[in-house]
Amino acid sequence: KNEVEQSPQNLTAQEGEFITINCSYSVGISALHWLQQHPGGGIVSLFMLSSGKKKHGRLIATINIQEKHSSLHITASHPRDSAVYICAVRFRGDDKIIFGKGTRLHILP
Amino acid sequence: KAGVTQTPRYLIKTRGQQVTLSCSPISGHRSVSWYQQTPGQGLQFLFEYFSETQRNKGNFPGRFSGRQFSNSRSEMNVSTLELGDSALYLCASSLGQLFTGELFFGEGSRLTVL
Repeated sequence: KNEVEQSPQNLTAQEGEFITINCSYSVGISALHWLQQHPGGGIVSLFMLSSGKKKHGRLIATINIQEKHSSLHITASHPRDSAVYICAVRFRGDDKIIFGKGTRLHILP
Repeated sequence: KAGVTQTPRYLIKTRGQQVTLSCSPISGHRSVSWYQQTPGQGLQFLFEYFSETQRNKGNFPGRFSGRQFSNSRSEMNVSTLELGDSALYLCASSLGQLFTGELFFGEGSRLTVL
């Protein structure tokens, strides 16, 4: 069965802390996306991964295909990073697209 | 470069009515995908259109349909509206087929069904 699990559901941290958000999936995938959604609804695509690691500014995304797991890291977190982070996968074979439930991140100044 | 434009932004309908939502992708993008977002179910994939052909479809009933025109603009239609169809409907465009590259989202159309 195609499933995507995100953890934690909610995360509150102090400004400057290193943040890790996790995404696990059940079977083989062809691609994984990390998305950011701010209050008000707008969604921004952060990364698309099929293997390895990508970095953009203070954001780093990694994927381990064997372990069926991806992580999104935020270094030197800032209150403007407060948002919901969502992973989305396209499963290999049946091409099903499934979203995680999201991680609500709140960075305190 | 203009972003993804969705219209209307807000609308209110009553049960049994139908609704049509529009999505204009970024110029040059050939893929348009649609999503439903509710507090209970989160984000769910509806369908993807690429070069006027539906390439992928999520687990939604036949009341949900869509199409894509030759200029890549897309519409989705929901017939016989139910209360549970109240949601934020988002579309996204990308250069290539879905999930092969970066997705660009519109701001969404918020549908309320009374």
